Amino acid sequence: ETGVTQTPRHLVMGMTNKKSLKCEQHLGHNAMYWYKQSAKKPLELMFVYNFKEQTENNSVPSRFSPECPNSSHLFLHLHTLQPEDSALYLCASSQDTQGSGNTIYFGEGSWLTVV
Amino acid sequence: AQSVTQPDIHITVSEGASLELRCNYSYGATPYLFWYVQSPGQGLQLLLKYFSGDTLVQGIKGFEAEFKRSQSSFNLRKPSVHWSDAAEYFCAVGATDSGGGADGLTFGKGTHLIIQP
Repeated sequence: ETGVTQTPRHLVMGMTNKKSLKCEQHLGHNAMYWYKQSAKKPLELMFVYNFKEQTENNSVPSRFSPECPNSSHLFLHLHTLQPEDSALYLCASSQDTQGSGNTIYFGEGSWLTVV
Repeated sequence: AQSVTQPDIHITVSEGASLELRCNYSYGATPYLFWYVQSPGQGLQLLLKYFSGDTLVQGIKGFEAEFKRSQSSFNLRKPSVHWSDAAEYFCAVGATDSGGGADGLTFGKGTHLIIQP
């Protein structure tokens, strides 16, 4: 138990569907992240939020839409995805985004399959 | 921006043998360094981290890592591996307060550890 909870753990969606991934952290952290992990590829940082403000968007396609209503919750809204978007989506949090507080704690991940 | 290289994609070690996983980083100052482990179907778990001070850091599950500034390395070691250590291992680098760099951590591609009986 890392203090970062992701739901759902598994999701299968069609290319025309709209779905959302949810992440909640119980660590009192200020920063939250979405990472994408595909087979045979390195971990890709998608988005960074610090104090609810987005600080990084690593050229992620607009079919992925993040939302951070407060420092404890982070969503990833999905629409019109492609099969190549199938991957493990990892949420994480840290006290700060840089410096000594940037130890990142990960959730268990949400396995997404796009059919 | 910072970057990390893990030169070994796969490593096979016999149970009870010693282990060393390599990690090299690129960063303009002394970075913050991390090792994470990922078991199949799971998220990443922090094994250990280096921020400053003693260059040999101890982590969970009997792992240790040594920061060598001259070699820009942060190799992970364990004196005797167990079958349960089979997993994916990721090295990561983070920016310091004054060093600048990207937010969050930058991860290497990972090393897949296989344990032979």
